[in-house]
Amino acid sequence: DTGVSQDPRHKITKRGQNVTFRCDPISEHNRLYWYRQTLGQGPEFLTYFQNEAQLEKSRLLSDRFSAERPKGSFSTLEIQRTEQGDSAMYLCASSFSLRVTGYTFGSGTRLTVV
Amino acid sequence: DQQVKQNSPSLSVQEGRISILNCDYTNSMFDYFLWYKKYPAEGPTFLISISSIKDKNEDGRFTVFLNKSAKHLSLHIVPSQPGDSAVYFCAASAIQGAQKLVFGQGTRLTINP
Repeated sequence: DTGVSQDPRHKITKRGQNVTFRCDPISEHNRLYWYRQTLGQGPEFLTYFQNEAQLEKSRLLSDRFSAERPKGSFSTLEIQRTEQGDSAMYLCASSFSLRVTGYTFGSGTRLTVV
Repeated sequence: DQQVKQNSPSLSVQEGRISILNCDYTNSMFDYFLWYKKYPAEGPTFLISISSIKDKNEDGRFTVFLNKSAKHLSLHIVPSQPGDSAVYFCAASAIQGAQKLVFGQGTRLTINP
């Protein structure tokens, strides 16, 4: 297994456009997390899935954001009607429940909204 | 509110000396603490962790100390090496439930030859 994979690595989009990011977790991990990191800050929790169920969403996740994890495998994060404030690094992580130290992060997708 | 704080944005240390990175937290519900290391254009990489039932955990050159009464933890790296230059994030979690991580703002560590 090559770890957590995220695609694309970079995305530049115009304000108002929709964007979608993909995350492929480590295959045996049942939990998948999305975090967002802005400049000079640590990553902030957005949402997480256990298998295919989305169990928690942060208040940071406005109605323009939606995440899915069909069949409990890969996950997508979509942002509709992007705003300049959405510019950030979007990080995906996976883990096996009951093992906090088992978190593995992907390299992230850097979104720039112009 | 910033539940996990790293008050030093940067730290510069001579190669071979000790690096000490500090972190404070406010939420008493946190019972697991982690340090992550991040290089540019990469995701955070797990370094070392400590449970709230311990006050020290050691792994090679890395030691984490936890002072629960002060709600303070620190990461000691000794001896420091040039490859240790990176951004270090402190994170806290509750073992039960979502196990989501709450991160500090990070400290950029630079090891000088």
